[in-house]
Amino acid sequence: KQEVTQIPAALSVPEGENLVLNCSFTDSAIYNLQWFRQDPGKGLTSLLLIQSSQREQTSGRLNASLDKSSGRSTLYIAASQPGDSATYLCAVKETSGSRLTFGEGTQLTVNP
Amino acid sequence: GAVVSQHPSRVICKSGTSVKIECRSLDFQATTMFWYRQFPKQSLMLMATSNEGSKATYEQGVEKDKFLINHASLTLSTLTVTSAHPEDSSFYICSARGGGVYNEQFFGPGTRLTVL
Repeated sequence: KQEVTQIPAALSVPEGENLVLNCSFTDSAIYNLQWFRQDPGKGLTSLLLIQSSQREQTSGRLNASLDKSSGRSTLYIAASQPGDSATYLCAVKETSGSRLTFGEGTQLTVNP
Repeated sequence: GAVVSQHPSRVICKSGTSVKIECRSLDFQATTMFWYRQFPKQSLMLMATSNEGSKATYEQGVEKDKFLINHASLTLSTLTVTSAHPEDSSFYICSARGGGVYNEQFFGPGTRLTVL
């Protein structure tokens, strides 16, 4: 059974710092991995989706990497801003038609 | 990306009543819809998966007679919480998948249910 773990559970940084969020998964046979952002009381916003054949994806200040063989992904946020404060969730999909398996999330606070 | 809406965004009801939550895919046809439940400071817990025109598949531990799911069309799924109790208070999020290159899931904004 696939298990997804995110470290740290919570992170507080000053504005402007570069930071890394970690995600690990137990079964490396995945179809894709996705990073989401969730603001309090809101739904999920997809940030980046990495297919199993890809090693990284970038969008603006965000960069996500995938090392399938070691079962790890990282989300790099450059020059963090208070508006980046949210919970970040990673999720893996094992096949094209299967469900997403979510990690517990990392709650990020960027202090002005 | 594609848009998924949920209605209502918030609902407060008395214990014993039933509450219906709607999930709509606005600009694509959703062959599969998912219903999640989320407790404070926890991740999403999948409750059930439904395919249009078929009965929903419920996850272990989820009572199908309590959480009724209907996926009657390719753009609409409903979750009805029957005879709601305070322990059913939670944040309910739906997600829709409509094929496409990566078979991506798109999430609704969630519904906050409070049962008094």
